[in-house]
Amino acid sequence: AQSVTQPDIHITVSEGASLELRCNYSYGATPYLFWYVQSPGQGLQLLLKYFSGDTLVQGIKGFEAEFKRSQSSFNLRKPSVHWSDAAEYFCAVGTNAGNMLTFGGGTRLMVKP
Amino acid sequence: EPEVTQTPSHQVTQMGQEVILRCVPISNHLYFYWYRQILGQKVEFLVSFYNNEISEKSEIFDDQFSVERPDGSNFTLKIRSTKLEDSAMYFCASSSDRARNQPQHFGDGTRLSIL
Repeated sequence: AQSVTQPDIHITVSEGASLELRCNYSYGATPYLFWYVQSPGQGLQLLLKYFSGDTLVQGIKGFEAEFKRSQSSFNLRKPSVHWSDAAEYFCAVGTNAGNMLTFGGGTRLMVKP
Repeated sequence: EPEVTQTPSHQVTQMGQEVILRCVPISNHLYFYWYRQILGQKVEFLVSFYNNEISEKSEIFDDQFSVERPDGSNFTLKIRSTKLEDSAMYFCASSSDRARNQPQHFGDGTRLSIL
C-alpha cells in the first residue's frame, strides 16, 4: 500500500524568505502527486499536481514542486513567502489502482513578520 | 470558479443517533468521494462513488456508513448509529475523471461532534 510522509510537523519562516516543505512517498509504480493547502476553518485547496511529464510543476500562489523519482520525493517550494501563506500543507499520492488519495500528516507553516 | 458545497458546516449529534452529511459536488463532475480528518490526525479516505455505485472503500467505511446520490446534484454520507469516535471533520470531494487523470476538489468540510 502507498504511504506519504511529511517529516516536518511545524515550520516557521520569515516573510520574504524562501520555503521548502518536504514530502516523501512510498509506492512501487508511478504515483500521482498533489499538494493541498488548508487555511483555518477551510477545506483543502489544490495547489498543484503531478501526473506525468515535466518533473517540475507550477501551481497557484507562486508555488512549485519537483518530482524526484530517485528520492521518492515531491517537495513544495516558494521563493518568497507571504504572511497569507500561513496554513497547513498536505501532500497526497494517488495511484493507478484506484481513486483514493493517501495523505501525509501535514506541515503547519507559520510566517513571522 | 465552481466549488464543492457541504452542509451543515457543523453538526452536533447524540451518540447512537443517525446523521446525514450533505454535499453538492461540482456540476459536471462524475466521481465523488468522502474523506474524514479526526482532530490532529491525517486526512483519511472513506469511499469513492461513480456511476451510482461505490467504486472503492476503506476499512473505516463499515456497515454503519452509507452513501447515496438521491438526485442529480446531492451526494450524501449517512452514519446510522453514531459513536464518539465518529467525531471528525468530514470532507466531500469530486473530480471530472479518475484520480490518475484529474485532481479531486474538496469542500470546506462538515465538523461532526458526537456527544
